[in-house]
Amino acid sequence: GAGVSQSPSNKVTEKGKDVELRCDPISGHTALYWYRQSLGQGLEFLIYFQGNSAPDKSGLPSDRFSAERTGGSVSTLTIQRTQQEDSAVYLCASSLRGRGYEQYFGPGTRLTVT
Amino acid sequence: GESVGLHLPTLSVQEGDNSIINCAYSNSASDYFIWYKQESGKGPQFIIDIRSNMDKRQGQRVTVLLNKTVKHLSLQIAATQPGDSAVYFCAENAGGTSYGKLTFGQGTILTVHP
Repeated sequence: GAGVSQSPSNKVTEKGKDVELRCDPISGHTALYWYRQSLGQGLEFLIYFQGNSAPDKSGLPSDRFSAERTGGSVSTLTIQRTQQEDSAVYLCASSLRGRGYEQYFGPGTRLTVT
Repeated sequence: GESVGLHLPTLSVQEGDNSIINCAYSNSASDYFIWYKQESGKGPQFIIDIRSNMDKRQGQRVTVLLNKTVKHLSLQIAATQPGDSAVYFCAENAGGTSYGKLTFGQGTILTVHP
């Protein structure tokens, strides 16, 4: 079946611009997660959704970062006034309810802020 | 083991050998421990998980061992193949109010030589 999809696959933006990253989870997965991976680093948790609500936003680095999920499916991660340190691969994952230990990841969006 | 920054631990093996990848975790309250495989340009791929009340779990060609006394996790890959070459991450899930959040280690680079 179809896995997690993310768009765009690559995004180059100028410092100070806003960007939106999109995630389509696996059909039937009610939980959705966003992570960030900097070059050569492990993954850093950003936010978690159960349905359309976000019980855990503890990983969002600043108020420039926000995310929403609509219809219990698609999610968008928005970064306002991008900075060079925002450059990273942004990964989305989804899981069945109650199985947050078994997350399935998309291919990621590589964001480069120039 | 784990490392900080760009200098990831590396493991080089010959095809057909067994591989052991190690991980030290930090949170003694974690409920689940998980191994992910990440190939270049792709998102992490779920391999296997183990619950904190277990000390060993086997999958297809993989075995995960958990030693809670010393907070150590290992992944054993039997008869390693060139397709196993990737970065391997351990992750922990604290459960409870942190249910959706995986905390990842920095990763180990596995290279399998034909």
